[in-house]
Amino acid sequence: AQSVTQLGSHVSVSEGALVLLRCNYSSSVPPYLFWYVQYPNQGLQLLLKYTSAATLVKGINGFEAEFKKSETSFHLTKPSAHMSDAAEYFCAVTGTSYDKVIFGPGTSLSVIP
Amino acid sequence: DVKVTQSSRYLVKRTGEKVFLECVQDMDHENMFWYRQDPGLGLRLIYFSYDVKMKEKGDIPEGYSVSREKKERFSLILESASTNQTSMYLCASSAETGSNSPLHFGNGTRLTVT
Repeated sequence: AQSVTQLGSHVSVSEGALVLLRCNYSSSVPPYLFWYVQYPNQGLQLLLKYTSAATLVKGINGFEAEFKKSETSFHLTKPSAHMSDAAEYFCAVTGTSYDKVIFGPGTSLSVIP
Repeated sequence: DVKVTQSSRYLVKRTGEKVFLECVQDMDHENMFWYRQDPGLGLRLIYFSYDVKMKEKGDIPEGYSVSREKKERFSLILESASTNQTSMYLCASSAETGSNSPLHFGNGTRLTVT
């Protein structure tokens, strides 16, 4: 069975600082992994996805994530935070069938001017 | 761009009422999903559908039903609303069956049951 944990329900960073949002997963099959972002009063939108083509995945808005099989991790990073990055971020994992998309509990990112 | 439209942003209903949440997608997607989102719990799958008139239970189907009479429309029904169904409800669609197809979400319906 698949599961996702996100360390830290709330993360605060200063504008211009590194953003690091942590995601660890467990999966009995090679996983597909996703990061979604949710801005206030909106639905979720895809930031990036890992599908085994490359371990370092680049997404929209300058975000990227690295798949580390040995650590079962898929942490999200951005070199320099912008005020507009303030949002809720969700890591998700799927297995072999789509009805088993599992979302993590989410991490709320605040950016301090 | 894929557009998933949920008919209401906010709803307030009374306990025991029958509630309909409507969702329409405009990209001819095969798959549609209903999630509820609660703080600290992330998103939990209620029901999904791979095709017209087909439906499958997700992780928390109790107290809910769905209808998919047309490919573009997927409705969530609360037969008798209860206060523990107060939540944010998110509809999503995806293009094809397959684990790496991303979900496209609507903006959500925040339902309050009093």
